[in-house]
Amino acid sequence: RKEVEQDPGPFNVPEGATVAFNCTYSNSASQSFFWYRQDCRKEPKLLMSVYSSGNEDGRFTAQLNRASQYISLLIRDSKLSDSATYLCVVNYRGSTLGRLYFGRGTQLTVWP
Amino acid sequence: DGGITQSPKYLFRKEGQNVTLSCEQNLNHDAMYWYRQDPGQGLRLIYYSQIVNDFQKGDIAEGYSVSREKKESFPLTVTSAQKNPTAFYLCASSMSSPALVTNEKLFFGSGTQLSVL
Repeated sequence: RKEVEQDPGPFNVPEGATVAFNCTYSNSASQSFFWYRQDCRKEPKLLMSVYSSGNEDGRFTAQLNRASQYISLLIRDSKLSDSATYLCVVNYRGSTLGRLYFGRGTQLTVWP
Repeated sequence: DGGITQSPKYLFRKEGQNVTLSCEQNLNHDAMYWYRQDPGQGLRLIYYSQIVNDFQKGDIAEGYSVSREKKESFPLTVTSAQKNPTAFYLCASSMSSPALVTNEKLFFGSGTQLSVL
């Protein structure tokens, strides 16, 4: 079983739509959670951290459910520029090393 | 401007050849990482370094080697022992290790696409 699982999509939505992605993680010792955005053949860039109480940044809302071990990302009023791959990232601190684990990403295409 | 620089952007390797990917950062970050990304796959950790002169194997270290002689530099060598090297390679850095700081964020270079001739 992979450490972080995401539905790869693709999700194809019209401009203005609301779309949600989920991500599940296998290790209950996970400490911190992030969503990164990656454009085709570019480096990932941090979109937002995910906090226990849920957090919002403009059109983006992230939520964490520790009991069910999943995090979600909601995008409201989708823009063409939101088209990208969204990576779920989880940090485990079960050892002295600390590790970030990446999901395979969920591909989003927003069409006019 | 502070940042993390990878070079070259595209690299071609002949069979049996070793090649080295460069990664330099001027962010004064202690921790540096190398990831490999295959199409439709998540990033997989090759090697990471939490401090100068120290580095640790990640999940897929076989066929790769690294060095960390300077804080700013973390070059990755893809050796001839790596039989399937074609991939997108990403270097990253963070101020300190995720082991030490819960919400430590990664800063990525722009990546190197390695292909086999």
